[in-house]
Amino acid sequence: GAVVSQHPSWVICKSGTSVKIECRSLDFQATTMFWYRQFPKQSLMLMATSNEGSKATYEQGVEKDKFLINHASLTLSTLTVTSAHPEDSSFYICSASGTGGTGFDGYTFGSGTRLTVV
Amino acid sequence: GDSVTQMEGPVTLSEEAFLTINCTYTATGYPSLFWYVQYPGEGLQLLLKATKADDKGSNKGFEATYRKETTSFHLEKGSVQVSDSAVYFCALTPNSGYSTLTFGKGTMLLVSP
Repeated sequence: GAVVSQHPSWVICKSGTSVKIECRSLDFQATTMFWYRQFPKQSLMLMATSNEGSKATYEQGVEKDKFLINHASLTLSTLTVTSAHPEDSSFYICSASGTGGTGFDGYTFGSGTRLTVV
Repeated sequence: GDSVTQMEGPVTLSEEAFLTINCTYTATGYPSLFWYVQYPGEGLQLLLKATKADDKGSNKGFEATYRKETTSFHLEKGSVQVSDSAVYFCALTPNSGYSTLTFGKGTMLLVSP
């Protein structure tokens, strides 16, 4: 079935540095990528939606200059947390929808990235 | 706007017990409905889905029926296992196309031996 590979699975960084999270669709074309943030014991909060080759659309309250999203190809989208601070510590999950591949059910989620900013 | 309401957890059951996790929704038109499962430290996996009224989604012993008259999509399993312990999310998209998912807050299921 459709697979989205998300890396890294966990990362610890110093306050003020930037962190890049990658999501790759392995056997289908991810025309749309959704980026979510999940706080402990809470639901997923949609941060932004990106379509391949276009600028991302951010949800209200999400700083687009802090959370940079690039979706330059149909198989790769990246989220860069710039000048990270401890309050950015969270679990980040990507989700892709698109065409091609087998067993595709509309949305395929990455395995998530646990970011800890110290 | 669209919304999904799930019963609060945790739901604590013994192995082989019957499971029901309630989910109701508010949406215009005819949304598609989903159940996702999240195991500790992992992303979400699609468990089952239904795209129109009276459809029943099923997978791995779990079932849910799309009830438009009650705007519900309750998740059921006849006999839970310890390995079913996870967080379950009910979700919808506003139509049969693939647009943004709206999630419920999730329900944690804990199954003891």
